[in-house]
Amino acid sequence: RKEVEQDPGPFNVPEGATVAFNCTYSNSASQSFFWYRQDCRKEPKLLMSVYSSGNEDGRFTAQLNRASQYISLLIRDSKLSDSATYLCAVRGSGGSYIPTFGRGTSLIVHP
Amino acid sequence: SQTIHQWPATLVQPVGSPLSLECTVEGTSNPNLYWYRQAAGRGLQLLFYSVGIGQISSEVPQNLSASRPQDRQFILSSKKLLLSDSGFYLCAWSDAILAGDLRNEQFFGPGTRLTVL
Repeated sequence: RKEVEQDPGPFNVPEGATVAFNCTYSNSASQSFFWYRQDCRKEPKLLMSVYSSGNEDGRFTAQLNRASQYISLLIRDSKLSDSATYLCAVRGSGGSYIPTFGRGTSLIVHP
Repeated sequence: SQTIHQWPATLVQPVGSPLSLECTVEGTSNPNLYWYRQAAGRGLQLLFYSVGIGQISSEVPQNLSASRPQDRQFILSSKKLLLSDSGFYLCAWSDAILAGDLRNEQFFGPGTRLTVL
């Protein structure tokens, strides 16, 4: 099992829709989780950090499920500008503080 | 506020040629610095990281090397490029990690797109 797995998609949704994608991780001792947004041919940009059960920022909600070892990202009222690849990163425990990145989930929001 | 710069933005190099990519960070002291490579359709591969001047940890054995000559400067080099070195090279920084600290938000530079022909 890969350390961090994401469905590559693409997820094709109409404007205004609610969309959610998951990120599963293999290390049960993982402590910190991050969602990044990456536009085509650009660098990843931090969207949200999660250290406990979840986090919310406007239309974006991240939920952590430690029992099933996944973290989800929910986007409400999708905008055309939300089209991007969403990368999940999971930081290990103890001395392993460097996050492991998933390959990303592609989201396409259409009119 | 902190900013991170990388250059060049794009580079086309022949096989066997040398490489030098530079990354600098402003607005912070003693950051952790990272080099990643993202090949087409692939995830982020950690190449090197550094917790201080002159301290380099290599994650993947290959023909690349890294150096940190100054606190906020990180350089990625190669003596002879291979075709497989093509990719999008990203430098990132984070705050120094303290014991028990759960954080490690990484912030990425704009990247260098390298094509080896």
